[in-house]
Amino acid sequence: GAVVSQHPSRVICKSGTSVKIECRSLDFQATTMFWYRQFPKKSLMLMATSNEGSKATYEQGVEKDKFLINHASLTLSTLTVTSAHPEDSSFYICSARARIDSNQPQHFGDGTRLSIL
Amino acid sequence: AQSVTQLDSQVPVFEEAPVELRCNYSSSVSVYLFWYVQYPNQGLQLLLKYLSGSTLVKGINGFEAEFNKSQTSFHLRKPSVHISDTAEYFCAVSVAGGGNKLTFGTGTQLKVEL
Repeated sequence: GAVVSQHPSRVICKSGTSVKIECRSLDFQATTMFWYRQFPKKSLMLMATSNEGSKATYEQGVEKDKFLINHASLTLSTLTVTSAHPEDSSFYICSARARIDSNQPQHFGDGTRLSIL
Repeated sequence: AQSVTQLDSQVPVFEEAPVELRCNYSSSVSVYLFWYVQYPNQGLQLLLKYLSGSTLVKGINGFEAEFNKSQTSFHLRKPSVHISDTAEYFCAVSVAGGGNKLTFGTGTQLKVEL
């Protein structure tokens, strides 16, 4: 089945540094990728929708300059948390969809636990 | 806009007992409905989905769900649970033909006990 790989699975870094998270579709071409943030004991909050070769569409309240998204190929999207601070600590999850047809379900990565000290 | 309500934040159940996890949605347009499962420190795995057709949908791991349009519900059921079913379960909705953007419920923690 469709596999989405997310890397790294866990990262701990100092406040003020930038962190890049990769999301790869391993056995299919992902025209669209989604980035979510999940707080402890909470649901997933959609941050942005990323289409290959175009700018990402951010949800209301999500800072574009803080969370940089790049979807340069049909198998890779990256989320860069710039100048990270402790409040950015969270579980970040990506998902990918194979085609524009919205009948195709999203396939999720295993998430990245980000801890900012 | 769409919304999803999962009234039960936690559901404890004994092994081999049946379970139902409730999900209600709100939308003014046609929707697709999904159930996902999340194990600790992992992403989400699709259990089942309703797009159209038969209102009873069967998924993986012995789960099934029934779409009830009049009650705007999509409850998840399993006739006999196993310890390995302990996980967080999320109900989600997307607008039919609307680009697949998912709106999630707040999740239900299923805890299966011996």
